[in-house]
Amino acid sequence: QKEVEQNSGPLSVPEGAIASLNCTYSDRVSQSFFWYRQYSGKSPELIMSIYSNGDKEDGRFTAQLNKASQYVSLLIRDSQPSDSATYLCAVNGGYSTLTFGKGTMLLVSP
Amino acid sequence: GAVVSQHPSWVICKSGTSVKIECRSLDFQATTMFWYRQFPKQSLMLMATSNEGSKATYEQGVEKDKFLINHASLTLSTLTVTSAHPEDSSFYICSAKVGEGTDTQYFGPGTRLTVL
Repeated sequence: QKEVEQNSGPLSVPEGAIASLNCTYSDRVSQSFFWYRQYSGKSPELIMSIYSNGDKEDGRFTAQLNKASQYVSLLIRDSQPSDSATYLCAVNGGYSTLTFGKGTMLLVSP
Repeated sequence: GAVVSQHPSWVICKSGTSVKIECRSLDFQATTMFWYRQFPKQSLMLMATSNEGSKATYEQGVEKDKFLINHASLTLSTLTVTSAHPEDSSFYICSAKVGEGTDTQYFGPGTRLTVL
């Protein structure tokens, strides 16, 4: 069974710091990787997708993928209190579906 | 772009009644939509994959006769919770793929169902 593992947290960082969120996955043939942000009581919002090994940057967000290690990470630079949310890692699971991790709660303190 | 809407945003119903939730892609055609359920402090659980014009594919453990899914057009999928019970109370979220060549899913705002 395909699995996506995340530390549940909470990960606490001060405002302005770099938050580092990690995710590992079990299926070696996975090709598509996504990070979603979910505020409490709301639905997930797509932050980034990444398909190739290496880094992908978008504003304050950087996704990192290492397929050999089956590892995906999300870095948030200059963290803001508004970044406080649960971050979900998702991996394509075949037949167009995504397998989600349980999410890491991020708390950014002012 | 890639906006998905859901209606209603919340619903309260009595035990034994049926509830229909609509999911619409507003600015694109979605051949594939997905229905998820999320209980408090838990992750998303995929219930079913809905393909336009064909029967939905249900995940293991999801009762297809209880959770009826219809995807009659490229912009609309519906989930009907039949004979709802309190244990069906949850946050139901739909998502849609923008196109066939991508796995990217965009989520609707969700529907909070409370069954009394």
